Amino acid sequence: GAVVSQHPSWVICKSGTSVKIECRSLDFQATTMFWYRQFPKQSLMLMATSNEGSKATYEQGVEKDKFLINHASLTLSTLTVTSAHPEDSSFYICSAIRDREGTQYFGPGTRLLVL
Amino acid sequence: LAKTTQPISMDSYEGQEVNITCSHNNIATNDYITWYQQFPSQGPRFIIQGYKTKVTNEVASLFIPADRKSSTLSLPRVSLSDTAVYYCLVGDIFNAGKSTFGDGTTLTVKP
Repeated sequence: GAVVSQHPSWVICKSGTSVKIECRSLDFQATTMFWYRQFPKQSLMLMATSNEGSKATYEQGVEKDKFLINHASLTLSTLTVTSAHPEDSSFYICSAIRDREGTQYFGPGTRLLVL
Repeated sequence: LAKTTQPISMDSYEGQEVNITCSHNNIATNDYITWYQQFPSQGPRFIIQGYKTKVTNEVASLFIPADRKSSTLSLPRVSLSDTAVYYCLVGDIFNAGKSTFGDGTTLTVKP
């Protein structure tokens, strides 16, 4: 149990386009999900907290208009990178907290390359 | 948020027991300690979680002293496939509290 999926697993796009990444909790409900990004050889950096039915909470320095987060249901959160630029190229990872348990379970990650 | 400190890297040999310690001096009363394993280009995988004393599951043990200012992940009889980065996270999990990832410990298991 406690499986989190992400789609797509990797994406290549042109500079200026928008990219949507989906995060799904497959076998549990998740009121709260988190979005992280990770650069090569570095640790995970928290971008935002996604709560079902409410606006996401962004970490300091993360542009909310650039990284749009929608948590439309208890099993799905989406991250849209708008007007992507090469510096947005990174590994994006989501996690979901299983309700009443509290443990974070992570997705497999999405590799984004902006050309 | 509780800040965590871990050794940057550790080396071990197959079949040995490995202990990775994490320091979290400003841990709060409601904080739990969770350890994750991450392979390159993959999301972190849950290993073990605890609040105090000792927790054991099929893959690892977690030792937490009474003051809870540190914790030790113990991996019995490691194999080459245990080569990965290990992170300890401290956070208020039952209030959906966010946690900050530290730099992690890169464990290299040698034959």
